[in-house]
Amino acid sequence: AQSVSQHNHHVILSEAASLELGCNYSYGGTVNLFWYVQYPGQHLQLLLKYFSGDPLVKGIKGFEAEFIKSKFSFNLRKPSVQWSDTAEYFCAAMNYGGSQGNLIFGKGTKLSVKP
Amino acid sequence: GAGVSQSPRYKVAKRGQDVALRCDPISGHVSLFWYQQALGQGPEFLTYFQNEAQLDKSGLPSDRFFAERPEGSVSTLKIQRTQQEDSAVYLCASSRGDRVSWELFFGEGSRLTVL
Repeated sequence: AQSVSQHNHHVILSEAASLELGCNYSYGGTVNLFWYVQYPGQHLQLLLKYFSGDPLVKGIKGFEAEFIKSKFSFNLRKPSVQWSDTAEYFCAAMNYGGSQGNLIFGKGTKLSVKP
Repeated sequence: GAGVSQSPRYKVAKRGQDVALRCDPISGHVSLFWYQQALGQGPEFLTYFQNEAQLDKSGLPSDRFFAERPEGSVSTLKIQRTQQEDSAVYLCASSRGDRVSWELFFGEGSRLTVL
């Protein structure tokens, strides 16, 4: 079955530490990949997306992600986290042939940043 | 409106009751989606509308779940004879519907608790 795996359930970092959240997907064909963020008490928001082209994608708030096709991975990175990055992060993939909304989400990674 | 609006935000139902959850998408958004998010899990796709047409309902877990969008705007997700396993946050999302700048905008969700 198609799936998205996020390696870490809960990550705790101090401010200014570097962040990398793992994401792997299991599709064999063309995929569209996304990272969403959910700040405490707020709705899911799009951080960044990959459709095609440059595999290094830059998103909002200094986040970036790299699509590595050979590894079926789309890891999220940020060089220096801030307390305000405390949130839950979801990786998602859409099968190119599927309906537009048929996103498959990972279980999420909760990030806690200590001031 | 400015964002996707969902109501009620919280709903407590006794097992066996019927519930109706409402979604008001961003004005002009063609596509509308429903997702279910159980505790500790990522959102799972339920169904997808393009205007008033329900193009994909493959994620609906049983025939107790029914969604409609009769005028291509507001949508209602109805759950009949609720069961405890239906307890979850139900997320609605909308998008413009074009693949070029494809992005889902999520509401804050309706948290359903079935006792």
